[in-house]
Amino acid sequence: EIVLTQSPGTLSLSPGERATLSCRASQSGSSSYLAWYQQKPGQAPRLLIYGASSRATGIPDRFSGSGSGTDFTLTISRLEPEDFAVYYCQQYGSSPWTFGQGTKVES
Amino acid sequence: QITLKESGPTLVKPTQTLTLTCTFSGFSLYTSGVGVGWMRQPPGKALEWLAVAYWNDDKRYSPSLKTRLTITKDTSKNQVVLTMTNMDPVDTATYYCAHRPLPGQNWFDPWGQGILVTVSS
Repeated sequence: EIVLTQSPGTLSLSPGERATLSCRASQSGSSSYLAWYQQKPGQAPRLLIYGASSRATGIPDRFSGSGSGTDFTLTISRLEPEDFAVYYCQQYGSSPWTFGQGTKVES
Repeated sequence: QITLKESGPTLVKPTQTLTLTCTFSGFSLYTSGVGVGWMRQPPGKALEWLAVAYWNDDKRYSPSLKTRLTITKDTSKNQVVLTMTNMDPVDTATYYCAHRPLPGQNWFDPWGQGILVTVSS
């Protein structure tokens, strides 16, 4: 099973700042088979990025994903108030599909 | 527009079997490549993938829970059912179903609103 480790656990930033979230896999699955989700309190996760770098439908271009192999990054170029949430990565290159433990972006 | 909604009991007793139904609209499990997955999230904790059912009758399970899970689909009713046996308080979580849109791409979009299931005597 591939273990995903997200860092940092919590990111304290202000609106307008840049956020950089990391997701590291314990082994390489299928190179770019990584997704990112955003979850706000009391809500279901929302897909942001799939294939490591492809934005899902309707996702603003301030969200970008990069990386391959075992190291992946989600970048939010300029934080908007609605971006403060928990972010999860998920690998789907090797079953069982697994999620990271999450990074909370707080103000 | 694709929507999914989970239904079932919100309180079960230890050792009981949990049966959850995912009812969806906006897509069909007759469509090649499509799937419906189940995930769960204990309060304050991370997401965990449980199972997925595909259009072609293939099914996959989390190895850690495989002996307790069964996923079935009723394509004509647009429903996918997850059963979990021998429930324990550690299984208390919000259970989500979600749409898997593309063949070979096991990311999920969108998700249902979730249902909080509490296991307690």
